[in-house]
Amino acid sequence: NAGVMQNPRHLVRRRGQEARLRCSPMKGHSHVYWYRQLPEEGLKFMVYLQKENIIDESGMPKERFSAEFPKEGPSILRIQQVVRGDSAAYFCASSPKSVSYEQYFGPGTRLTVT
Amino acid sequence: AQSVTQLDSQVPVFEEAPVELRCNYSSSVSVYLFWYVQYPNQGLQLLLKYLSGSTLVKGINGFEAEFNKSQTSFHLRKPSVHISDTAEYFCAVSGGNQAGTALIFGKGTTLSVSS
Repeated sequence: NAGVMQNPRHLVRRRGQEARLRCSPMKGHSHVYWYRQLPEEGLKFMVYLQKENIIDESGMPKERFSAEFPKEGPSILRIQQVVRGDSAAYFCASSPKSVSYEQYFGPGTRLTVT
Repeated sequence: AQSVTQLDSQVPVFEEAPVELRCNYSSSVSVYLFWYVQYPNQGLQLLLKYLSGSTLVKGINGFEAEFNKSQTSFHLRKPSVHISDTAEYFCAVSGGNQAGTALIFGKGTTLSVSS
């Protein structure tokens, strides 16, 4: 059973470009969480999605960031007009149900903004 | 609101020595508690979790943690560490019975094991 997949693993963008990060949850999992890890910091929650629905986006910056989890395909975290401060590791976790204690993490996407 | 404090940012130890990584939390509701390990350039791996029941929780790789409600602590211990235990360790908390709640992480403790 494949784990949570994220791609790309490393992404370099110039300031002002768009970054698109993908997360394929484990088979049978319909719940996805996105977290961001800034340098020297722990992970910070960004958004929680179920298939076709955003359940909790209280951790998302108000501008430039969006997330989706369509009926078919991976969950996408999109960052428009990236700035240097967006450089971080972005992790997704998937869960088979709506509980916090069964979150399985992917390897992360490391975004570098130059 | 819930929060997690990891009291040590770095813990250097020698191989085969015991280690304790400290974690305190604050919450007004019952909580679930977790320890994750992150090896360089990798994702997070669950070491152990406390949901309910026995306050002493055993995890993978010989680690264990004790939930202390009165001291709001969940310290991680290992009686004898290996070089391969060198990694970043994160303590996390979530609301106990609330559906779909995210994990709240501490800032992490870097465990460095040397020979």
